[in-house]
Amino acid sequence: AQTVTQSQPEMSVQEAETVTLSCTYDTSESDYYLFWYKQPPSRQMILVIRQEAYKQQNATENRFSVNFQKAAKSFSLKISDSQLGDAAMYFCAYRSLSGTASKLTFGTGTRLQVTL
Amino acid sequence: DGGITQSPKYLFRKEGQNVTLSCEQNLNHDAMYWYRQDPGQGLRLIYYSQIVNDFQKGDIAEGYSVSREKKESFPLTVTSAQKNPTAFYLCASSLSGGHLYEQYFGPGTRLTVT
Repeated sequence: AQTVTQSQPEMSVQEAETVTLSCTYDTSESDYYLFWYKQPPSRQMILVIRQEAYKQQNATENRFSVNFQKAAKSFSLKISDSQLGDAAMYFCAYRSLSGTASKLTFGTGTRLQVTL
Repeated sequence: DGGITQSPKYLFRKEGQNVTLSCEQNLNHDAMYWYRQDPGQGLRLIYYSQIVNDFQKGDIAEGYSVSREKKESFPLTVTSAQKNPTAFYLCASSLSGGHLYEQYFGPGTRLTVT
């Protein structure tokens, strides 16, 4: 079974600065997908970014980018030019390619605070 | 507007009672999922369904039951056998057959059992 570890329960960043959230995972599979989800105080889960393991190029979505290190099984999220609206819980998730269901395995989350 | 609805937002029950959480989607998604979220933990999969009239257990199915009689609906019953039912429950849906299909989440139901 796959596991996802987020070792930073809480992080803080000043507005307009850059912050990196860490995520590591354990798997014996060679092909899979990785996701970062955001959960603001409303508790609505929102997809931030996704990465296919077979792609070497790191995914980027506006101010959000990832550093995917397949050999190290690491998948960190970088938020540039942080905004107050970025304050939320961030979850890293793993998607196995075995089977057809889009089951996700989540990490325990990192709470991001954004200060003025 | 297309989306996923969960009702009610807050639910209170006495211990020993079964309770059913509603999840409806109008996204025409084949697959639907139920997750449980506890403080300090990530989301854990309870049940999932890829097509109507079919569903599979997730990682923590004990004490829960589901049905999938309609494509749009995937209700979750929390039975009295569930030892720690108080939690935040999230429903999600996605297209099936493609590995990168995003899961769309509902707003969640906070269940409190006393």
